[in-house]
Amino acid sequence: DIQMTQSPSSVSASVGDRVTFTCRASQDIHYWLAWYQQKPGKAPKLLIYAASDLQSGVPSRFSGSGSGTDFTLTISRLQPEDFATYYCQQADSFPHTFGPGTRLEIK
Amino acid sequence: ELQLVESGGDLVQPGRSLRLSCTGSGFAFGDYSMSWVRQVPGKGLEWVGFIRAKKYGGTIEYAASVKGRFIISRDDSTSIAYLHMNSLKIEDTAVYYCTREAGSGYNPWGQGTLVTVSS
Repeated sequence: DIQMTQSPSSVSASVGDRVTFTCRASQDIHYWLAWYQQKPGKAPKLLIYAASDLQSGVPSRFSGSGSGTDFTLTISRLQPEDFATYYCQQADSFPHTFGPGTRLEIK
Repeated sequence: ELQLVESGGDLVQPGRSLRLSCTGSGFAFGDYSMSWVRQVPGKGLEWVGFIRAKKYGGTIEYAASVKGRFIISRDDSTSIAYLHMNSLKIEDTAVYYCTREAGSGYNPWGQGTLVTVSS
């Protein structure tokens, strides 16, 4: 199975900051990576698919990059509604494993 | 509007069975592969299984943790995906989400249904 790791596990930031999260796969997943945002008590929401494609309706301050084993999610200017937990997921092979998540907290 | 609605979550004893349903609307259900994902409250997401659309063979994949106990099926005539859970264990306690494959991501997601396994 492909293992996914995310760093950091948590981060504190302020409104207006630029933040970057990292996701690493244990083997080459090409560009088969998605990013999700999850708020407490809510279902995950797809932000980015195919490593860098922005899901329809998602603000352009979110962007994804990477291929192979190393990926990043960047939020260019944090808004109050962005404080949540972010998960990456590989869809290269089954099982479609998720990373452990990065919790973004308000500083 | 794309929508998925799960139902069937309940409190069950270890060793018993339960069936979850996921009803889709706003899209051609039969054209899409569907997946189940679970989340222990306060913990991360765990992929459970996947059923391909009939046009891709309708075949099914399972996580090792549920293989042999859980069965995924679908009824495209009613736009429902099912998760049949047998021999339930305490560690199966979680919120169960259904979701639709959308390229290399899953979208949309249902609101989730809570399964509690306890004696």
